[in-house]
Amino acid sequence: KAGVTQTPRYLIKTRGQQVTLSCSPISGHRSVSWYQQTPGQGLQFLFEYFSETQRNKGNFPGRFSGRQFSNSRSEMNVSTLELGDSALYLCASLPTGDTDTQYFGPGTRLTVL
Amino acid sequence: AQSVAQPEDQVNVAEGNPLTVKCTYSVSGNPYLFWYVQYPNRGLQFLLKYITGDNLVKGSYGFEAEFNKSQTSFHLKKPSALVSDSALYFCAVKNAGNMLTFGGGTRLMVKP
Repeated sequence: KAGVTQTPRYLIKTRGQQVTLSCSPISGHRSVSWYQQTPGQGLQFLFEYFSETQRNKGNFPGRFSGRQFSNSRSEMNVSTLELGDSALYLCASLPTGDTDTQYFGPGTRLTVL
Repeated sequence: AQSVAQPEDQVNVAEGNPLTVKCTYSVSGNPYLFWYVQYPNRGLQFLLKYITGDNLVKGSYGFEAEFNKSQTSFHLKKPSALVSDSALYFCAVKNAGNMLTFGGGTRLMVKP
């Protein structure tokens, strides 16, 4: 099976712009989660989507949003970018169950100038 | 809320020697614990998980982890380290829904 795919892999934006990142989960996986990784804050949970519904949300401002499509692909959007949004954004997919393993994509490296 | 801690920012070990990367947890109820590894400019790769059952969990690439309920620990181990094991290791616990809470990470350096 193909793994989790994230596009683009690298992105450079300027403050105030907005950005959309995409994640295609492993075939058959219905849950997609997003995480932000920074040197200072480490790995932090953003949100989880299951069957096109946001099921869980981390402690991030409303500038961070996401959605999931009927084919389980997910997008996350960050509006009004700030320098502190520079990070590696990781997407993870898993089938459905509580004990399932989350498999991560390679990430999108966002740099905000 | 569930949490994990990795007390060592970096672990240095010589190739061929055993390695241990430490993780302690704080949870209410039964913990679901995971280890992931991250190589430079890559995402997280799953190594192993503890859900229930045997306290010694075997995973990918020769890694194993020992779940110790009395010490609330889930240390990652490997009998003989390889230079290629050098990477960043994360311990995680499953929280509400499918949210993972990660430790701060431990950089493993294996020297030839």
